[in-house]
Amino acid sequence: TQLLEQSPQFLSIQEGENLTVYCNSSSVFSSLQWYRQEPGEGPVLLVTVVTGGEVKKLKRLTFQFGDARKDSSLHITAAQTGDTGLYLCAGVGYSGAGSYQLTFGKGTKLSVIP
Amino acid sequence: GAVVSQHPSWVICKSGTSVKIECRSLDFQATTMFWYRQFPKQSLMLMATSNEGSKATYEQGVEKDKFLINHASLTLSTLTVTSAHPEDSSFYICSASRGKVSNQPQHFGDGTRLSIL
Repeated sequence: TQLLEQSPQFLSIQEGENLTVYCNSSSVFSSLQWYRQEPGEGPVLLVTVVTGGEVKKLKRLTFQFGDARKDSSLHITAAQTGDTGLYLCAGVGYSGAGSYQLTFGKGTKLSVIP
Repeated sequence: GAVVSQHPSWVICKSGTSVKIECRSLDFQATTMFWYRQFPKQSLMLMATSNEGSKATYEQGVEKDKFLINHASLTLSTLTVTSAHPEDSSFYICSASRGKVSNQPQHFGDGTRLSIL
């Protein structure tokens, strides 16, 4: 069973501060995805990182995939109140049943205080 | 885009009732659909994977006789929670993918909140 450890679980910061969320595993994934989920809604894909060492930027969000494709990080620069939400990492791996499946981390609930 | 519609959004029913949740891919054909369950303050846990026209593959610990999954067409999968009990109360989310390869993303529905009294 592939597991993803996501940390921290909760994060409360002031507007304008920087933060980093980590996602670690002992398993290698084909790729890794980051999602944001609002209460009562399904998760929305932010980014997919595929290559070991890959870095992707989405405005103030920077995503990095570890060289060994076992871990990833999400860094937010100058957080804004609109960044508040639940951030989930998910590893893509072969299920053995003829398809690929996602293994989700437990999520990081981010609160940005004005 | 790739839109996945889930219905109903919210269900409240008595213990012992069977509840059916629909997951539709509105603008693409979904070869594979996934069903997840999310308890409060927890992450999404995969319940089962279904490929169109074949039986669903259930994750360990998920009772296939309790959670019936039907994926009869390329745009519709249904999850039926049979004889639901309060412990089945949860947020159920489906996702749909165009194919089985790793580079085909999953597109998520908005979830169904199930509350069993």
